[in-house]
Amino acid sequence: TQLLEQSPQFLSIQEGENLTVYCNSSSVFSSLQWYRQEPGEGPVLLVTVVTGGEVKKLKRLTFQFGDARKDSSLHITAAQPGDTGLYLCAGARTSGTYKYIFGTGTRLKVLA
Amino acid sequence: NAGVTQTPKFQVLKTGQSMTLQCAQDMNHNSMYWYRQDPGMGLRLIYYSASEGTTDKGEVPNGYNVSRLNKREFSLRLESAAPSQTSVYFCASSEVRSFARSGDFGNGTRLTVT
Repeated sequence: TQLLEQSPQFLSIQEGENLTVYCNSSSVFSSLQWYRQEPGEGPVLLVTVVTGGEVKKLKRLTFQFGDARKDSSLHITAAQPGDTGLYLCAGARTSGTYKYIFGTGTRLKVLA
Repeated sequence: NAGVTQTPKFQVLKTGQSMTLQCAQDMNHNSMYWYRQDPGMGLRLIYYSASEGTTDKGEVPNGYNVSRLNKREFSLRLESAAPSQTSVYFCASSEVRSFARSGDFGNGTRLTVT
């Protein structure tokens, strides 16, 4: 059973377009993280959100944690080819746990 | 700073063979982790070590053993490899008992079992 579902699985867009990636679950998480992974490399942590309704911004990336802490979204404004990669969300079921559950990932390709 | 270093980068094994994947971190992190990544499955935790001398099972520990040799090194051993263990393996480390403040991954070991 996959506790964290990401959508869409694949996304191919033109440079300059906006996009939103979703991470959904029926379970409550104490915190949620977003990673970006490029081919041949390990995931790189982008952000951690811990409070329901929290919004964090990282340049053109906006991350939101759902009010009920069951879902999260990642919005990219004016996508660039450098944003291409696999985006993964990961949630912790209880505070301080090492058992982060990873979503299946969204593979994004931004065309120049 | 090297961060998290994994060796080897690639490995091909025959069913029944054994091997050890090596991982070392130079960030003085207490916690270290082994994950496997399969297409459409995300990353799944195999084993975890909160600190030197301790190890705990994750989601998919069957067929694997680990050893926390010292604070820097955390190895993963496959005693009798099976085709189902074909995957990309990632080692990670963190400063505290979760990735919330820091989570650093190595670049992975791509393992094929024939």
